[in-house]
Amino acid sequence: AQSVTQPDIHITVSEGASLELRCNYSYGATPYLFWYVQSPGQGLQLLLKYFSGDTLVQGIKGFEAEFKRSQSSFNLRKPSVHWSDAAEYFCAVGRLNSGYSTLTFGKGTMLLVSP
Amino acid sequence: NAGVMQNPRHLVRRRGQEARLRCSPMKGHSHVYWYRQLPEEGLKFMVYLQKENIIDESGMPKERFSAEFPKEGPSILRIQQVVRGDSAAYFCASSPETQNSPLHFGNGTRLTVT
Repeated sequence: AQSVTQPDIHITVSEGASLELRCNYSYGATPYLFWYVQSPGQGLQLLLKYFSGDTLVQGIKGFEAEFKRSQSSFNLRKPSVHWSDAAEYFCAVGRLNSGYSTLTFGKGTMLLVSP
Repeated sequence: NAGVMQNPRHLVRRRGQEARLRCSPMKGHSHVYWYRQLPEEGLKFMVYLQKENIIDESGMPKERFSAEFPKEGPSILRIQQVVRGDSAAYFCASSPETQNSPLHFGNGTRLTVT
């Protein structure tokens, strides 16, 4: 069965500093990987996804993530964090089932941005 | 283009009552997924439906929970005889028919059982 681990429950970053959120996955085949962001009381918004091809994927809001098969990782990065980035971030792996996929999510990393 | 619409946003039920959660997918989307988020947990898959069909309910508790996606109208997640452990945020997501299309999530229904 697939699983996703986000080792950091909380991370605090100064505004303007760089950010890296860690994600490790366990999956028996080629993974489909996603990062979602959830603001308080809101649903999840897709930041970026990896299906195949270039291992460095660009997303919205200046985020990027790099797929590293050898490390089973899909870490999310942003060069300069803005206060509006404070939210909870979820990494997810897609499981392919006969033409559709369901997602397995990590427990999330709460990002706090300090002035 | 409206996104995934869920209602109500908040629902309070006493133990033993029924809870009905509604989800209207994005326009043009025919696939609906329900996920549950317990406090300090990630989202857990419950059920996947297409119009008038349940395709995968492997994440749904065997008792008290049911889901439908009728030909007309929203998808409904129904929880009978709710217990305190059912308190959670329930998220609906939809996608078009294209294989492996990303899921678009609604803002969720927060169920509180008192």
